[in-house]
Amino acid sequence: DTAVSQTPKYLVTQMGNDKSIKCEQNLGHDTMYWYKQDSKKFLKIMFSYNNKELIINETVPNRFSPKSPDKAHLNLHINSLELGDSAVYFCASSSLLGYGYTFGSGTRLTVV
Amino acid sequence: GQQVMQIPQYQHVQEGEDFTTYCNSSTTLSNIQWYKQRPGGHPVFLIQLVKSGEVKKQKRLTFQFGEAKKNSSLHITATQTTDVGTYFCAGTKEGGKLIFGQGTELSVKP
Repeated sequence: DTAVSQTPKYLVTQMGNDKSIKCEQNLGHDTMYWYKQDSKKFLKIMFSYNNKELIINETVPNRFSPKSPDKAHLNLHINSLELGDSAVYFCASSSLLGYGYTFGSGTRLTVV
Repeated sequence: GQQVMQIPQYQHVQEGEDFTTYCNSSTTLSNIQWYKQRPGGHPVFLIQLVKSGEVKKQKRLTFQFGEAKKNSSLHITATQTTDVGTYFCAGTKEGGKLIFGQGTELSVKP
């Protein structure tokens, strides 16, 4: 009964490709997030959705496009992948914006 | 920009020694949260502090929120090998954005 599940767990792809990461939560939370963790373990927020509406959009290249078909799902599509996109991407959810996040297990993206 | 600074970056201790990590913000925080990330794992929520001067304990872990709501600390008494991991503080600022500190990586030598 995984609370926040992400797929795939690992993703290795070539530069220039387009890829998607999917996230689903079964906690009934209203708010979902995408975070990027770099090689130095720094966690940086990318996007936040509340009830399918985009509420936080950090300075992320427009090659990254989130989509929330319903409040339990938040997917991340990345176009024209670059080497610098290699990182671990975490999905998270919370019942209120900014309070007590539950993280997914992460997607390790490697661009070669 | 909005930043939450955390020190030290790394801490190596002998099992049984105490450990403390510190978190500072230049602006007042609505709340401070602490997370633990085991090697190869994902961040796991430990606790949230909301009130000025608040102190909370979880077994050997003691969490404090400063009077000005700009700093916080996590203290572990008598570390064990199961405490290994990276500890992150995260502060909620205006607009509800949760900003993470850089993390403190704790290693414990048995």
